[in-house]
Amino acid sequence: ILNVEQSPQSLHVQEGDSTNFTCSFPSSNFYALHWYRWETAKSPEALFVMTLNGDEKKKGRISATLNTKEGYSYLYIKGSQPEDSATYLCASAGGTSYGKLTFGQGTILTVHP
Amino acid sequence: ETGVTQTPRHLVMGMTNKKSLKCEQHLGHNAMYWYKQSAKKPLELMFVYSLEERVENNSVPSRFSPECPNSSHLFLHLHTLQPEDSALYLCASSQVWGERNTEAFFGQGTRLTVV
Repeated sequence: ILNVEQSPQSLHVQEGDSTNFTCSFPSSNFYALHWYRWETAKSPEALFVMTLNGDEKKKGRISATLNTKEGYSYLYIKGSQPEDSATYLCASAGGTSYGKLTFGQGTILTVHP
Repeated sequence: ETGVTQTPRHLVMGMTNKKSLKCEQHLGHNAMYWYKQSAKKPLELMFVYSLEERVENNSVPSRFSPECPNSSHLFLHLHTLQPEDSALYLCASSQVWGERNTEAFFGQGTRLTVV
């Protein structure tokens, strides 16, 4: 994998459903994997910064896992709510001394009441 | 409020105009970034300033000219743009040391339309 890729591109779920999406990234020269939530008309906001293989992080109903050897991360949302509707971005940070991030194209999540 | 403020929020300019985008961060970070988001494309890194020194220029045309007068302020000077330059321009900052860095904090962006 040469670029950061996210799937699916978009997702529609009902309120209360649990959902997950995938981020694939180059496993060579890896340093960190970032997840951001970007709500319409707002700034992208960091959810997690993950660095260790096997790491799992959690914030409320949202959690993420990391596999640096195979180059993927999953983001999970348990019991989706309409306010979770946003674009979820992942970005790979690696190999520079100045925090360069390479972003995926994002997964657009819509949670229907 | 992320601590990163961008102005203006919206800008319409003609192809012969000169305008500037401004970004200010109140977080004490030592690195600042300009990103571009075009329709249906990932966020693309344009420029990075680390400790007020430009450390990356990602093959950006010379009609975009960044300026970082101090660690809190970042500008993007625009001149003779093309309609395809219409996009959302996001500024971000982070704290970096060696290969480590915090998460990026983003401004709300400037929606630029070139007519």
